[in-house]
Amino acid sequence: DAEITQSPRHKITETGRQVTLACHQTWNHNNMFWYRQDLGHGLRLIHYSYGVQDTNKGEVSDGYSVSRSNTEDLPLTLESAASSQTSVYFCASSIRKSTDTQYFGPGTRLTVL
Amino acid sequence: QKEVEQNSGPLSVPEGAIASLNCTYSDRGSQSFFWYRQYSGKSPELIMFIYSNGDKEDGRFTAQLNKASQYVSLLIRDSQPSDSATYLCAVKYDNFNKFYFGSGTKLNVKP
Repeated sequence: DAEITQSPRHKITETGRQVTLACHQTWNHNNMFWYRQDLGHGLRLIHYSYGVQDTNKGEVSDGYSVSRSNTEDLPLTLESAASSQTSVYFCASSIRKSTDTQYFGPGTRLTVL
Repeated sequence: QKEVEQNSGPLSVPEGAIASLNCTYSDRGSQSFFWYRQYSGKSPELIMFIYSNGDKEDGRFTAQLNKASQYVSLLIRDSQPSDSATYLCAVKYDNFNKFYFGSGTKLNVKP
């Protein structure tokens, strides 16, 4: 079955380290998204991509970067991890259609000490 | 600024009752509306979407959309303890394939 996966599921790192979170989908969806979820803030968009070589900033993009070299993967990189980036990170994908539904991966819980 | 507002709850209803969850949005350019359910520690999963004024029913769930008043509701009939979760409202705007999420309403269904 087609699916969307994230790895690692849990990560503990130290302030200042570079961290990369992986997202892989097998639906052949054009659109992919990264969100973070914190108590009281709901889901906030970090970065998104509408296709290969396309990336765009969301509302909370500072300190994060993404690259899209193929349809299946959108890795999220924290250039220099900060304690404020401790959160649960969700990847989502959708096909390119006006009423598209976004389907979410299982999430990665990141702790920055 | 595109805002999506939900009452954080918790909303407590007895088993078998109707749970009513509400969501308001700020921008009249909104086109599609989605309800997601999220169990604690899990990822959001789609319940249903609606993009026309009126009601849309799917099993025990009914989504109601009123674009003039800028609100969308989710009714859950015959609520079950397994419906206890946080319900997220998401709004998608015309020409953008980005969702704007509310912070969610926590629903508790008591046996």
